[in-house]
Amino acid sequence: QLQLQESGPGLVKPSETLSLTCTVSGGSISSSSYYWGWIRQPPGKGLEWIGSIYYSGSTYYNPSLKSRVTISVDTSKNQFSLKLSSVTAADTAVYYCARLPVDFWSGSPYHFDYWGQGTLVTVSS
Amino acid sequence: NFMLTQPHSVSESPGKTVTISCTRSSGSIASNYVQWYQQRPGSSPTTVIYEDNQRPSGVPDRFSGSIDSSSNSASLTISGLKTEDEADYYCQSYDSSNIPPWVFGGGTKLTVL
Repeated sequence: QLQLQESGPGLVKPSETLSLTCTVSGGSISSSSYYWGWIRQPPGKGLEWIGSIYYSGSTYYNPSLKSRVTISVDTSKNQFSLKLSSVTAADTAVYYCARLPVDFWSGSPYHFDYWGQGTLVTVSS
Repeated sequence: NFMLTQPHSVSESPGKTVTISCTRSSGSIASNYVQWYQQRPGSSPTTVIYEDNQRPSGVPDRFSGSIDSSSNSASLTISGLKTEDEADYYCQSYDSSNIPPWVFGGGTKLTVL
């Protein structure tokens, strides 16, 4: 059974960099059949897509965060990571990692089929 | 660039049927698949509908999805409502030419009372 687990500091100071890692178990992050993504949810609010990555390293970022976001993959550890720089209180949220299967017919990774449990990151001094 | 708009909340009684809409702001709703996720309090989202109207294994057939091109919207219908269906529901679509490519609706709080 595929499992995704987010890990990282639960408290980050304003202006610093938020760093999270998603460890994938029960499946290979190097598979050409999947993309991997990060989504966040501020307290009491909706879901916001942050970015996605393919095992090859190709990345896609939300333009609203693009200047501050870096997503990378470490195939040797079966992990992918998120870095968000210059954080403010507005970046306080539950951060989820998720898998996106590539549709056989279209080749598009159009939905999220497995999600991690999420990790709350609070930005505060 | 398109957005997906959902009603903020809906409520219905147990045993009844409820429909949640998801309206696409521009471009055809039929051009790209729509997914629906259920999120219970304190839990991660789970898929209840993918590819407009497909149910993952384990999702009861009380859940169904549809597309209406005339209103440019997708709908999630839940019949035979149970108290366990009370949750937030999010629609989502992907368009590689959109910025951003992956778009979520704002979410709908379903209350079963």
